[in-house]
Amino acid sequence: NAGVTQTPKFQVLKTGQSMTLQCAQDMNHEYMSWYRQDPGMGLRLIHYSVGAGITDQGEVPNGYNVSRSTTEDFPLRLLSAAPSQTSVYFCASSYPTTGLNTEAFFGQGTRLTVV
Amino acid sequence: EDQVTQSPEALRLQEGESSSLNCSYTVSGLRGLFWYRQDPGKGPEFLFTLYSAGEEKEKERLKATLTKKESFLHITAPKPEDSATYLCAVGYQGGSEKLVFGKGTKLTVNP
Repeated sequence: NAGVTQTPKFQVLKTGQSMTLQCAQDMNHEYMSWYRQDPGMGLRLIHYSVGAGITDQGEVPNGYNVSRSTTEDFPLRLLSAAPSQTSVYFCASSYPTTGLNTEAFFGQGTRLTVV
Repeated sequence: EDQVTQSPEALRLQEGESSSLNCSYTVSGLRGLFWYRQDPGKGPEFLFTLYSAGEEKEKERLKATLTKKESFLHITAPKPEDSATYLCAVGYQGGSEKLVFGKGTKLTVNP
């Protein structure tokens, strides 16, 4: 059971470079999201998707783009990396129910350093 | 103002010394309160979901409880392997499927 798979696990970028963080889940979950985790800040929501073709912004969306062409995949794109985007990124998925949240399953994270 | 506040930020216990972690929240229309465990270098791992005041869930040495404004994670006779950061998150009406996380409590259990 793979669950939520993130690639790569580690990445170093130069300022201004672009890259895509990959996230795939095999649980047929409709809801997927991206968080960043910084020391002393907790997990902050970047973007989320309630289903294929539908995305929306979270708390800290600037500098990031997402798309959701399939239920399984939810890539996060950094168009022009900045040192402020140095962080650990987590992808999560869950199966929504009416009126209640259900538990989210997280990937192992991508540690990104922008120099 | 933070919607989810966890305390203490860090807690150091001796093996066998029971204690509690707190998660207070200010959102209205709770749709679920979640406890996660996070080990260094890993993603959060789901522990419990609580939906209504008075609800309790247990798993091994951990017990989670919920009131209208806060949740407690009670740790009974902890062992060194319980050392981790414990995260609390809430979903709420008007928040869609989004979760709001607290900053976590880092628990260290010394042998």
